[in-house]
Amino acid sequence: DSGVTQTPKHLITATGQRVTLRCSPRSGDLSVYWYQQSLDQGLQFLIQYYNGEERAKGNILERFSAQQFPDLHSELNLSSLELGDSALYFCASSVVGDGEKLFFGSGTQLSVL
Amino acid sequence: TQLLEQSPQFLSIQEGENLTVYCNSSSVFSSLQWYRQEPGEGPVLLVTVVTGGEVKKLKRLTFQFGDARKDSSLHITAAQPGDTGLYLCAGALSGGYQKVTFGIGTKLQVIP
Repeated sequence: DSGVTQTPKHLITATGQRVTLRCSPRSGDLSVYWYQQSLDQGLQFLIQYYNGEERAKGNILERFSAQQFPDLHSELNLSSLELGDSALYFCASSVVGDGEKLFFGSGTQLSVL
Repeated sequence: TQLLEQSPQFLSIQEGENLTVYCNSSSVFSSLQWYRQEPGEGPVLLVTVVTGGEVKKLKRLTFQFGDARKDSSLHITAAQPGDTGLYLCAGALSGGYQKVTFGIGTKLQVIP
């Protein structure tokens, strides 16, 4: 158990819908990272937060947004969903923001039908 | 185009064989990490290498960071079925806080 909690584990929805993925980092970790994993693209970095502030941005679509709350949990919002958004979404946390040791949750499997 | 290129992408070997997987880039990294991922789970950190030329051992696994900090290798001795999984290298570029980039991974299958 990494100590990182992601909910829900599975999510099935329809095109055009909006969903929210939730992540609780390990106790004491200030930094949260979101990744999307698909078979052909591997793990793609989406966005990083450190102590409530956005720290780095990757290949995150404009339809996607995220935030980190004062209690350090984070949410990833995906809107106007398309079939191609179907993927595994992982959250990871680390003590500091330099990414040397990431602890991953078990992921949310999103299926857009 | 991946910033970190991993090879091979797929590897199927018999139990007891040795293997090496590679992680290469044209960029310099402040550190490189190796993770192992099993189906349905998130990646689990195996090791972090920081110094150019550094070698770290974890039981039957040997990790090396290139002298120029642009590449790394993972060598497994006497592979066992429990080593089966997806091996990912990851790194943050030098120069402060940067996004952590992952290679596409090497999918290893060890056949009993």
